[in-house]
Amino acid sequence: GQQLNQSPQSMFIQEGEDVSMNCTSSSIFNTWLWYKQDPGEGPVLLIALYKAGELTSNGRLTAQFGITRKDSFLNISASIPSDVGIYFCAGHRGGNLIFGKGTKLSVKP
Amino acid sequence: GAGVSQSPSNKVTEKGKDVELRCDPISGHTALYWYRQSLGQGLEFLIYFQGNSAPDKSGLPSDRFSAERTGGSVSTLTIQRTQQEDSAVYLCASSYDRGIAGYTFGSGTRLTVV
Repeated sequence: GQQLNQSPQSMFIQEGEDVSMNCTSSSIFNTWLWYKQDPGEGPVLLIALYKAGELTSNGRLTAQFGITRKDSFLNISASIPSDVGIYFCAGHRGGNLIFGKGTKLSVKP
Repeated sequence: GAGVSQSPSNKVTEKGKDVELRCDPISGHTALYWYRQSLGQGLEFLIYFQGNSAPDKSGLPSDRFSAERTGGSVSTLTIQRTQQEDSAVYLCASSYDRGIAGYTFGSGTRLTVV
């Protein structure tokens, strides 16, 4: 089926670092969303983007909907330990929500 | 309720047995979705309900999988003759309408087929 290409697959963060991840698709989406999933829980919506070029912030999170409507990025500034988890991008089109494979954020040992 | 409720949270079953997974969506949400999440993978769409009807069953992987929704509320996903490859986390989500992208997810049912 359709998939979004999400990168990186995993990354290690040190407290205070900025983090960036992105998603690309060969297809256009009407809405891009970013979710976070903690262990044993379902994904929780972080940010929703509705217009091409839109830049939206939610606290330390910033996300942008690409001009071509085929990509999106998520930035986390000044990371803290509770930011660890799996981040999923998702594209919405025609009532269907298509997910990337996720970016796993872990704390640097 | 306040959120999407799924039960059981964990299920271990023997290969060949049937299982039923339950989802109780947020009250008033007409759209309900089932997704499957295998280890290290993204979320794979299974089926969508609008009210009690399922206009989109395109993601069901085989005829061993079926789902129903009654009273526009609770939904049950049934897997017959389970196989080891069915082991995954099964997530349910709901929203006011299919056009609303911000689905609310439940915590999922972790199914292990041994």
